[in-house]
Amino acid sequence: DAGVIQSPRHEVTEMGQEVTLRCKPISGHDYLFWYRQTMMRGLELLIYFNNNVPIDDSGMPEDRFSAKMPNASFSTLKIQPSEPRDSAVYFCASSNRDRGRGGAGELFFGEGSRLTVL
Amino acid sequence: GDSVTQMEGPVTLSEEAFLTINCTYTATGYPSLFWYVQYPGEGLQLLLKATKADDKGSNKGFEATYRKETTSFHLEKGSVQVSDSAVYFCARLSGGYNKLIFGAGTRLAVHP
Repeated sequence: DAGVIQSPRHEVTEMGQEVTLRCKPISGHDYLFWYRQTMMRGLELLIYFNNNVPIDDSGMPEDRFSAKMPNASFSTLKIQPSEPRDSAVYFCASSNRDRGRGGAGELFFGEGSRLTVL
Repeated sequence: GDSVTQMEGPVTLSEEAFLTINCTYTATGYPSLFWYVQYPGEGLQLLLKATKADDKGSNKGFEATYRKETTSFHLEKGSVQVSDSAVYFCARLSGGYNKLIFGAGTRLAVHP
């Protein structure tokens, strides 16, 4: 079975350019999460969706960041304009609903998109 | 706010040594607790979990027990292998049942 698929795996861009990261969750999963991983701050939850609806975007660092989920099989994270401090590995994860207690179940992560902003 | 604190790495061990990676969480309610593992160049994978006090999660020889009295969820393995070399993340649920908050990660290096 295909897992969570992210693209691109690596992106190098110059400051001020627009960056779009893409994610295809596991088919049938209700939840989708975007995380950012850096040495300084570790893993930070940026935003998550339930049934394509953004539920909590309190982790999005600033207005330069935006995320969409137009349908159940696709999500994007956009940075415009990008800055060097946005350099990080961005992970997408998806999960089913936990039938026992409700809410999200086990998270399945993609391999990440490594972004370098020069 | 809700948080998870885990021991700083790197942890360097010889093959067959005993492993402990400490993890404590903020005592807000009774959250489900998790250990995830990240191998080089890959995303995180669930290693084990525990959903209530005194539960023991186990997988691949790793174990962790949910200790409410000490708000801890330490990861242990009796005999590590070179293939266990990875970064290990402790995590707890927050914000209802949906948000997973991770610790900073502990890098483990096992040498033959």
